[in-house]
Amino acid sequence: QVQLQESGPGLEKPSQTLSLTCTVSGGSISSGSYYWNWIRQPAGKGLEWIGRIHTSGNTNYNPSLTGRVTISVDTSKNHFSLKMTSVTAADTAVYYCARSTTGTTAGNVWGQGTLVTVSA
Amino acid sequence: QSALTQPHSVSGSPGQSVTISCTGAGRDVGDYNYVSWYQQHPGKAPKLLIYDVSKRPSGVPDRFSGSKSGNTASLTISGLQADDETDYYCSSYTGSFVLFGGGTKLTVL
Repeated sequence: QVQLQESGPGLEKPSQTLSLTCTVSGGSISSGSYYWNWIRQPAGKGLEWIGRIHTSGNTNYNPSLTGRVTISVDTSKNHFSLKMTSVTAADTAVYYCARSTTGTTAGNVWGQGTLVTVSA
Repeated sequence: QSALTQPHSVSGSPGQSVTISCTGAGRDVGDYNYVSWYQQHPGKAPKLLIYDVSKRPSGVPDRFSGSKSGNTASLTISGLQADDETDYYCSSYTGSFVLFGGGTKLTVL
């Protein structure tokens, strides 16, 4: 049974680049046909889909974040990553990674989430 | 593109049924049969309840059902239980990305 685990610095300074990793266990990230997603949730607020990468390497991003976000896969480490540039306090949120079997949903397997705070 | 519109809160008594709506305004709910519903307990990751409007992943009770009419999708929970009291989110595929609703808090009276 595949499991996902987010990791990264819990604190980032404004204007810096946020980097998060989602490690996949219980299966290979490069096998099958899956979408590997990033979603975030500010405290007390709703969910926001950030973007995804398919097993094929194709990516899609939320238009509201296009230009700031890059999602990539490292098959040798069996993980995928999120990079978000020029962060501000508005990017403070719990960040989730998730796997979906179709491109039409955010995911049916989720990580537990990791809190990222943007503050000087 | 703005978030899908969900009621801020709904409520029902144990054993009853409740319905949560999710309304789109653009190239989303009305244009695609790709609405999903998630349940999220406090401090936990969301759990997929419904995908492709009305399909249930393995292990999700049939008390949870989904439907769609025009640009509004609905999640119906029948036989309400105390553990159903939490937050629910809808999402829709837009042709290129996934758009979420603002979330609905369900209170079991």
